[in-house]
Amino acid sequence: DADVTQTPRNRITKTGKRIMLECSQTKGHDRMYWYRQDPGLGLRLIYYSFDVKDINKGEISDGYSVSRQAQAKFSLSLESAIPNQTALYFCATSAAEAGGPRDTQYFGPGTRLTVL
Amino acid sequence: SQQGEEDPQALSIQEGENATMNCSYKTSINNLQWYRQNSGRGLVHLILIRSNEREKHSGRLRVTLDTSKKSSSLLITASRAADTASYFCAEAGGTSYGKLTFGQGTILTVHP
Repeated sequence: DADVTQTPRNRITKTGKRIMLECSQTKGHDRMYWYRQDPGLGLRLIYYSFDVKDINKGEISDGYSVSRQAQAKFSLSLESAIPNQTALYFCATSAAEAGGPRDTQYFGPGTRLTVL
Repeated sequence: SQQGEEDPQALSIQEGENATMNCSYKTSINNLQWYRQNSGRGLVHLILIRSNEREKHSGRLRVTLDTSKKSSSLLITASRAADTASYFCAEAGGTSYGKLTFGQGTILTVHP
């Protein structure tokens, strides 16, 4: 979905390096999410933010941190990358209407991260 | 939170056949959603069914929900080669507004 963009699309880095993945959206949504996907697995939630001042840990937040710089921007950082963080990372957004007919998430194209 | 399970993990059919994918979930839900992912790309929302609904249709898609069994199924009728993708169910928990828990997905291959 072109309304949710992620940079970079691909990144190869070395163990111990700090990495930042960026997400921007033009959908005007309040809520933003970061997921990781490993081969053959579904998506697991890393962090989520329901507005600029609200940051929450997901099920696998260890080794990651986030920053919500503005309503439209949500960045994910790996402070010291390790090989088992090699995965496909997705950003998603949703409108603030949980449980309603628009309670769906819109995904970016993903960032493929390889940690050597 | 635990992820739901999807069955089968992989499904291979011919064009024109119907494809059925099943999903079991763990929690009390507000709604259950189905998403599609083409290889290596972002997920795309297909359909949402609320906890008080039992069946929903959208084009060639039919979703059912059985809250007593904590299960849902996605039926794609008259499949096409372009339907080849991974399909994920995602549960929106009743007390976890805005958060989704995804299943592991079903890989569907439709042969022309």
